[in-house]
Amino acid sequence: EAGVVQSPRYKIIEKKQPVAFWCNPISGHNTLYWYLQNLGQGPELLIRYENEEAVDDSQLPKDRFSAERLKGVDSTLKIQPAELGDSAVYLCASSTGVAGANVLTFGAGSRLTVL
Amino acid sequence: SQQGEEDPQALSIQEGENATMNCSYKTSINNLQWYRQNSGRGLVHLILIRSNEREKHSGRLRVTLDTSKKSSSLLITASRAADTASYFCATDLYGANNLFFGTGTRLTVIP
Repeated sequence: EAGVVQSPRYKIIEKKQPVAFWCNPISGHNTLYWYLQNLGQGPELLIRYENEEAVDDSQLPKDRFSAERLKGVDSTLKIQPAELGDSAVYLCASSTGVAGANVLTFGAGSRLTVL
Repeated sequence: SQQGEEDPQALSIQEGENATMNCSYKTSINNLQWYRQNSGRGLVHLILIRSNEREKHSGRLRVTLDTSKKSSSLLITASRAADTASYFCATDLYGANNLFFGTGTRLTVIP
């Protein structure tokens, strides 16, 4: 079974440029998460989807970040324009969303460097 | 904001020794989970302990949970060089269905 697939693995851009990350979750996983991980820190939730619906986007900086999950499967996370402080690893995870036993499967992450 | 904090931040031991990591959290939980992250990789789930459980084992892993103290510990017995990684606790809060991760413990096992 394929795991959670993310692309690109690495991206280097100039500040003020746009960038997009793509995630393909495990087949059958209705819940999809985007996390941000700064160097030496734990992941911080950006947004959670239940199927196509964003049910928790309270931590997503909506002035420059946007996300979508069309058809309830793949998801994209976009930053426009990128700032120096956005340099981090963006992790996608998926789960079955079973209450009380919500185990996440993570992708390898997309490492963003903003110059 | 991160819900949990791990202690110590970094731990270095010799191969064969046991490693203990602690996690403290702030609010009532549904369950608590531990994940491992190798350098440059995503996180991998290790073990889940429910709020009504006090101890759980999986292979060389032993997890305890004390809800009165809002703390958990992860013990890795007979450590191996391959156990070198960062370890994170994550809390699943009642009604949230989100996982909130701690700051992590960086474990180095010296061969």
